[in-house]
Amino acid sequence: AQKVTQAQTEISVVEKEDVTLDCVYETRDTTYYLFWYKQPPSGELVFLIRRNSFDEQNEISGRYSWNFQKSTSSFNFTITASQVVDSAVYFCALSETGGYQKVTFGTGTKLQVIP
Amino acid sequence: ETGVTQTPRHLVMGMTNKKSLKCEQHLGHNAMYWYKQSAKKPLELMFVYSLEERVENNSVPSRFSPECPNSSHLFLHLHTLQPEDSALYLCASSQASSPGELFFGEGSRLTVL
Repeated sequence: AQKVTQAQTEISVVEKEDVTLDCVYETRDTTYYLFWYKQPPSGELVFLIRRNSFDEQNEISGRYSWNFQKSTSSFNFTITASQVVDSAVYFCALSETGGYQKVTFGTGTKLQVIP
Repeated sequence: ETGVTQTPRHLVMGMTNKKSLKCEQHLGHNAMYWYKQSAKKPLELMFVYSLEERVENNSVPSRFSPECPNSSHLFLHLHTLQPEDSALYLCASSQASSPGELFFGEGSRLTVL
């Protein structure tokens, strides 16, 4: 069975601070995908990134960066120079490959960026 | 309209009522999903339709009944619900060529009295 654990329930940071959201996953599959989604107060989850289990290169997109470490089954997400607009609930997720995508989500980390 | 739209955004119903949630996607995707989001719990996958055929039913009680009349529309029919069914119900769609990239609606907030 697949499982995603986000141990941080809520995090508060002051604007311009860096913040890292932790994600640990469990799967028996040898190939899989990892994701991060953002859920702003309006409700709809927004896709941020997909990472294939074969690709352990870290990725940077603007102020966002992701650190994938297969050895520790972790896929952490860092926001640099946080902004108030980053306030949201962030979900880490995992899916099998092939066919339709059964995506398993973590419980989410609520990030509050204080001006 | 673009993206995934859900109606109604808010619904209050008694335990004996029958109501339906509606989802429509304008993205040309070939898979649609219902997720349940309760406080402090992971999103729970309820149903998946791929090419209008139900391919996943995650042990959801029969008081929830999905319907997918075509690739753009998805319904969740509700009947004789319990107060513990109160939650945010999220619809999503995806395309097979973009695995796991789900496009979500804003959800329908359901309260069962």
